[in-house]
Amino acid sequence: DARVTQTPRHKVTEMGQEVTMRCQPILGHNTVFWYRQTMMQGLELLAYFRNRAPLDDSGMPKDRFSAEMPDATLATLKIQPSEPRDSAVYFCASGLMAGAGANVLTFGAGSRLTVL
Amino acid sequence: AQSVTQLDSHVSVSEGTPVLLRCNYSSSYSPSLFWYVQHPNKGLQLLLKYTSAATLVKGINGFEAEFKKSETSFHLTKPSAHMSDAAEYFCVVSDPSGGSYIPTFGRGTSLIVHP
Repeated sequence: DARVTQTPRHKVTEMGQEVTMRCQPILGHNTVFWYRQTMMQGLELLAYFRNRAPLDDSGMPKDRFSAEMPDATLATLKIQPSEPRDSAVYFCASGLMAGAGANVLTFGAGSRLTVL
Repeated sequence: AQSVTQLDSHVSVSEGTPVLLRCNYSSSYSPSLFWYVQHPNKGLQLLLKYTSAATLVKGINGFEAEFKKSETSFHLTKPSAHMSDAAEYFCVVSDPSGGSYIPTFGRGTSLIVHP
């Protein structure tokens, strides 16, 4: 089965450090999503791309977070500088959002970030 | 605009008893509806989907959901709970508003299964 691959699976870092999370979406999927999950806030949509173009990043703290999709096989989420409140599990998901019946998301296993 | 409400944040059942996880949606279109499951320390996995075909949808692991337009509901059921069903369940709505089919997730329902 095709899968979404995320790296790293776990990251522990100190406050102020830069963190980069990577995602390889499923080939042929036209939309890539970044989500953040915490116990307090649940699952939050941070940003998404369609055909590599950013469509919406309103869920993302703009001053420290950035998301890019340099090519069709790679999406990145960067935090600089990181803060303890960024500790969460970050999920990447991709889908072919082309209409009813074709808009299922496939999620990666997540990147668990701990900022000390 | 689309929205989805999961009516229970936690549901607790005994093994072997029926499961009911409730979901109501709002959409100006004929939406697609989904249930995803997340087991501890795992990513989300599609359980089942409704896309305007049969209103009773069967998914993996014995789960099913019924689309009821008149009640704007898409409740998830299973006749007999198993310990391995303990997980977080998310109801999701997706419609063509804005031409994007961007999904909206519910806040999740934690299913607890007691021996």
